[in-house]
This record gives sequence, C-alpha cells and structure tokens, in this order.
Amino acid sequence: EAQVTQNPRYLITVTGKKLTVTCSQNMNHEYMSWYRQDPGLGLRQIYYSMNVEVTDKGDVPEGYKVSRKEKRNFPLILESPSPNQTSLYFCASQNHYRGNEQFFGPGTRLTVL
Amino acid sequence: RKEVEQDPGPFNVPEGATVAFNCTYSNSASQSFFWYRQDCRKEPKLLMSVYSSGNEDGRFTAQLNRASQYISLLIRDSKLSDSATYLCVVNMGGNAGNNRKLIWGLGTSLAVNP
Repeated sequence: EAQVTQNPRYLITVTGKKLTVTCSQNMNHEYMSWYRQDPGLGLRQIYYSMNVEVTDKGDVPEGYKVSRKEKRNFPLILESPSPNQTSLYFCASQNHYRGNEQFFGPGTRLTVL
Repeated sequence: RKEVEQDPGPFNVPEGATVAFNCTYSNSASQSFFWYRQDCRKEPKLLMSVYSSGNEDGRFTAQLNRASQYISLLIRDSKLSDSATYLCVVNMGGNAGNNRKLIWGLGTSLAVNP
C-alpha cells in the first residue's frame, strides 16, 4: 500500500529538549516536504527536499533542521524546541509525474511546554 | 493579495443541497490545480485535480477559469459525510527552484446538517 508514515503521532515535550519526527514514504517520490498547520494560518512549508542530499528552506524554517540521506526518509529535527513550535506537523511526498499530487502522512501533534 | 484565497465559511447546508466553493489565485503562470479535503485534525487528502476542460467525479465537479484566475468546486446532493474543510491548491509546475511547491488556500469549512 502506497503510504507516508510519521512518528510519533503525538508528543509532549519541554523547551530545549531535542526531538526528531521521522517520515518515510514507499512511493519512490523525489520531492518531499514538511509542513506545520496552525489555526488561521493554514499549511506552511517548513523545509523541502528535491532529492537525496538536496534540501532547502521553505517559508518557516527557523528552529528546524532536516536531512535526506535516503530517498524514502525525511526526518524533521527540532534542536531546541520552544513553545511557539507547538503545532500539527505533516510530512508529504509528491508525485511530479502526476501534476505534483501530494500525499500526506497522518500528522504529528507536538506540544512544547 | 494572498496567492490563493478562499472564503473560509462556514457553509452550513442541509443534506441534499448543492453547494459551490470558489478559489482565486494570483499567479497567472500557475499550471496545476487541486482540491483537497481535510477532516478535523487529519491529513489533507486529494479530492480531485482540476483540468482546463473541467472534470467531474460522481457528485463533485471542478472547473478552472484561467482568464479570471479562479477554480471552483461544486458538490451536488450533499451528504453528512461531506462535512470537512476543502482546500484549494495551486502549483507553478516545472522543476526550477521550488516550483514543485504547492500553494495552499486556508480552506473553506462545510457542515452538512441532517
């Protein structure tokens, strides 16, 4: 089954404690993104990756890092989380052979205290 | 002006009603257009792509008007299960820079009532 998986689904942490949210896709897509979704602000792209070892900043990259060592995995790293990073996070992979249709993971609800 | 604009709603309609949403986009060079559906606190899922000639999928019809730079979604015979947020999405197309990036509207909330 074609899918994007994310873990963990829910996380409550404290300010400054490094965390990683994993993302994996099994569709061999080149382009992957991380988004955060906040009420009234919609989906905002944090980082994206065009392919292995090719990553770049999206619209709201501050406080986040990513890596793309393998095509299927695209982890999101928060080195020193802060309360303003409390949000709903989605990983997505994109099929550019079908007009850039995007497939999403189930989301990670992060609370930073 | 926002790149993609939608009326946030909420649209409250009775079961069986026909409801239409519009979405405007600012970049005339946009190439791909989509409607996504998002249920509360769940991930967005593709509802349908929008083609230049318009397209229909069961009770759902999508249309594109390039001259006026808007896309529309029509839902006929609304069901309770259609209650969700509908997201309009636009893409520049091509591989240059971040042209694969999808530009998201904030969504239109639909509540179908018994």
